[in-house]
Amino acid sequence: DTGVSQDPRHKITKRGQNVTFRCDPISEHNRLYWYRQTLGQGPEFLTYFQNEAQLEKSRLLSDRFSAERPKGSFSTLEIQRTEQGDSAMYLCASSEVGTSGLYEQYFGPGTRLTVT
Amino acid sequence: AQSVSQHNHHVILSEAASLELGCNYSYGGTVNLFWYVQYPGQHLQLLLKYFSGDPLVKGIKGFEAEFIKSKFSFNLRKPSVQWSDTAEYFCAVNPWRGGADGLTFGKGTHLIIQP
Repeated sequence: DTGVSQDPRHKITKRGQNVTFRCDPISEHNRLYWYRQTLGQGPEFLTYFQNEAQLEKSRLLSDRFSAERPKGSFSTLEIQRTEQGDSAMYLCASSEVGTSGLYEQYFGPGTRLTVT
Repeated sequence: AQSVSQHNHHVILSEAASLELGCNYSYGGTVNLFWYVQYPGQHLQLLLKYFSGDPLVKGIKGFEAEFIKSKFSFNLRKPSVQWSDTAEYFCAVNPWRGGADGLTFGKGTHLIIQP
């Protein structure tokens, strides 16, 4: 399968713990995005990378959220001191840069986080 | 900031009925427009996209959408639905700036097709 993969698919944690999620994009894609989706809502954009550079992070929900893509391949999203309100599906997507700058994003299966 | 409004959160149709799902966006500039679908137990998949050109775009599985700039709309249509079209449908937009940007999604429409 050459699609976007995410790990783990499910994570249950206790309030106050730190969690880290991983995303592996489609191999030739140099752009990677993180979204959060809560019940009854569409995905909400959080941040994105072009190669290893994080080009947009103002939409991260709080300073407890951080993301990295150290070698321009896989990415991690970390949530520190989790709260019950962080319970959601965390989605990763990737895209390539077309010559016209036009592109489409391909989504992974998501990581479902439950904070108890 | 842009926003996307999907008018119907739940739609129930019988097989062979025609489908139209509404989507309106608010953004003053040029945009890229998308419809994504999420079948039960599966991840988001692109149905169709509009970047420029012919405002009537065709996607996979017989779906099409029409971009009406004056109405800020990008409605999804299918002339005859099948039971397998049961899914969650999301309209999404991002500004056309020739580069990457996060998508702004609507809340989604849950479509149920009854056999």
